[in-house]
Amino acid sequence: NAGVMQNPRHLVRRRGQEARLRCSPMKGHSHVYWYRQLPEEGLKFMVYLQKENIIDESGMPKERFSAEFPKEGPSILRIQQVVRGDSAAYFCASSPRSALGYTFGSGTRLTVV
Amino acid sequence: KNEVEQSPQNLTAQEGEFITINCSYSVGISALHWLQQHPGGGIVSLFMLSSGKKKHGRLIATINIQEKHSSLHITASHPRDSAVYICAAADLMDSNYQLIWGAGTKLIIKP
Repeated sequence: NAGVMQNPRHLVRRRGQEARLRCSPMKGHSHVYWYRQLPEEGLKFMVYLQKENIIDESGMPKERFSAEFPKEGPSILRIQQVVRGDSAAYFCASSPRSALGYTFGSGTRLTVV
Repeated sequence: KNEVEQSPQNLTAQEGEFITINCSYSVGISALHWLQQHPGGGIVSLFMLSSGKKKHGRLIATINIQEKHSSLHITASHPRDSAVYICAAADLMDSNYQLIWGAGTKLIIKP
């Protein structure tokens, strides 16, 4: 039973490009959470999704960031027109239901050059 | 004042020592999580507590709801335990999924 799979593990983008981060939750988990960890800082909530629904995106920047969790396939965090300040580790977690038994992925380290 | 406070911020100990990391919170919680972040960045969920005590291998987590305090203990510590340990509270008054994070405790175990 694989854990939460995130890919890519490392992603380098030039300013202005798009970044797509993928998260496949644990089997049987229908709740997905994205967190961002800026260098030397703690984790900050970005968005909470269930299949085909965004439940709470209060932690997402208003522009350039979007997330989806389609009926089939992984959850995608998409950052358009990346800037240097987007450089961070992005973690995905899943749970079988809200706040119960989080399992974290290994994260995607985004570097914007 | 942060709603979730951890202490100490940094802890260096010798291999074999008994380690205690503390977490105090000011909000009503539905659950408290202890997580471990390795130097490489990966995060592992260690425990989720709503009452009492849990044990997994050399790790023990306790929580006192009345005192709003939780502790993570490591027995017979080993250099591979070196990591950042984070407590996070699920706020009872929130929608129960936005965790309130402590700042983390950086633990170094020397051989």
